[in-house]
Amino acid sequence: DIEMTQSPSTLSASVGDRVTITCRASQSISSWLAWYQQKPGKAPNLLIYKASSLESGVPSRFSGSGSGTEFTLTISSLQPDDFATYYCQQYNSYPRTFGQGTKVEIK
Amino acid sequence: QVQLQQWGAGLLKPSETLSLTCAVYGGTYNGFYWSWVRQPPGKGLEWIGEINHSGSTNYNPSLKSRVTISLDTSKNQNSLKLTSVTAADTAVYYCARGSGTMVLWGQGTLVTVSS
Repeated sequence: DIEMTQSPSTLSASVGDRVTITCRASQSISSWLAWYQQKPGKAPNLLIYKASSLESGVPSRFSGSGSGTEFTLTISSLQPDDFATYYCQQYNSYPRTFGQGTKVEIK
Repeated sequence: QVQLQQWGAGLLKPSETLSLTCAVYGGTYNGFYWSWVRQPPGKGLEWIGEINHSGSTNYNPSLKSRVTISLDTSKNQNSLKLTSVTAADTAVYYCARGSGTMVLWGQGTLVTVSS
């Protein structure tokens, strides 16, 4: 299985901050990486696919980059609605695997 | 607007079989993969498996011996069965549309395994 490791596990930030979350894969996954946002009691919501493509309807303050084994999710200016947990997920191979999650908290 | 709605028993005893169904409303079933993902309380996401419109499946090896995903195209539904459940299977179970990227999700079903 490909192991996905996110850092940090928790991030404290203020509204307006630029936030970056890192995801590392245990082996190369090319650009087959997705990012999801999840709020308490809700299903995950797809933000980014193929490492850097913004899903329709997702605000442009979200962006993704990277390829191979290292990827980042950036929120350019954190908004109140963005406080949530974020997961990366590889779909280069089976089984699909997720990172452990990064919780973005209010500072 | 396409929606996924899921249902099934929420409380099981150890050794019983988990059975959940996911239905598509407002859209077509054909041409897509349909996945199942679970999330233990307070923990991260785990991919369970998927099925495509022709019935081809892929499963997580960690669950493969206990999991079956099937579909009923006439009803625009797919189903998840997980046998011999234990407390470790307690989780919110989600169905989703997609294989690599899961774009559309069901509302989630909390399944608790307790004697």
